[in-house]
Amino acid sequence: GENVEQHPSTLSVQEGDSAVIKCTYSDSASNYFPWYKQELGKRPQLIIDIRSNVGEKKDQRIAVTLNKTAKHFSLHITETQPEDSAVYFCAAISGTYKYIFGTGTRLKVLA
Amino acid sequence: DTGVSQDPRHKITKRGQNVTFRCDPISEHNRLYWYRQTLGQGPEFLTYFQNEAQLEKSRLLSDRFSAERPKGSFSTLEIQRTEQGDSAMYLCASRAPGTGISEQFFGPGTRLTVL
Repeated sequence: GENVEQHPSTLSVQEGDSAVIKCTYSDSASNYFPWYKQELGKRPQLIIDIRSNVGEKKDQRIAVTLNKTAKHFSLHITETQPEDSAVYFCAAISGTYKYIFGTGTRLKVLA
Repeated sequence: DTGVSQDPRHKITKRGQNVTFRCDPISEHNRLYWYRQTLGQGPEFLTYFQNEAQLEKSRLLSDRFSAERPKGSFSTLEIQRTEQGDSAMYLCASRAPGTGISEQFFGPGTRLTVL
């Protein structure tokens, strides 16, 4: 079946450094790729998304890139801050309800 | 709070008991999703409603799981004869109507513990 692989599972960076999380999807019909941040005990919240007709999108310190040919997409966080510490999930969506999530990356920003 | 709400937030039950969870989506959202999330994993899609119609239920984990959305507003997820393996966070999410892609908003979840 379709799946989304996400790497790394854990990531520690020094405050101010950049963090990169990568996902690979299998369903070629996927056309929407959101990223969610989930803090401990809280609900997942959308932080950035990208559609299949766009290769890159940026929102302040956060950017997402998409390579449809390779079925890869990545989250880039620059100038990391301690409050960026959380679990990040990627997802690949096709159609209205086919949401496949990655297994998550636990990001720890060390002060 | 005008976001997605879920009730209860926590449920502890004994193996073999039935449990029911409720989700109230954002009021104008006609699309509703249920997910299960186990520790260290991403949300796992269970079922989807568009208005009152359950358009996808093949991902429900077994015939012990069922969901309803009788009036196209709130939804319930029922687990019958609970097992210890059902212990997880159950998340609900909703999306606005329309043909374009729109953000999915999650509720706070119901954490189920089966003893």
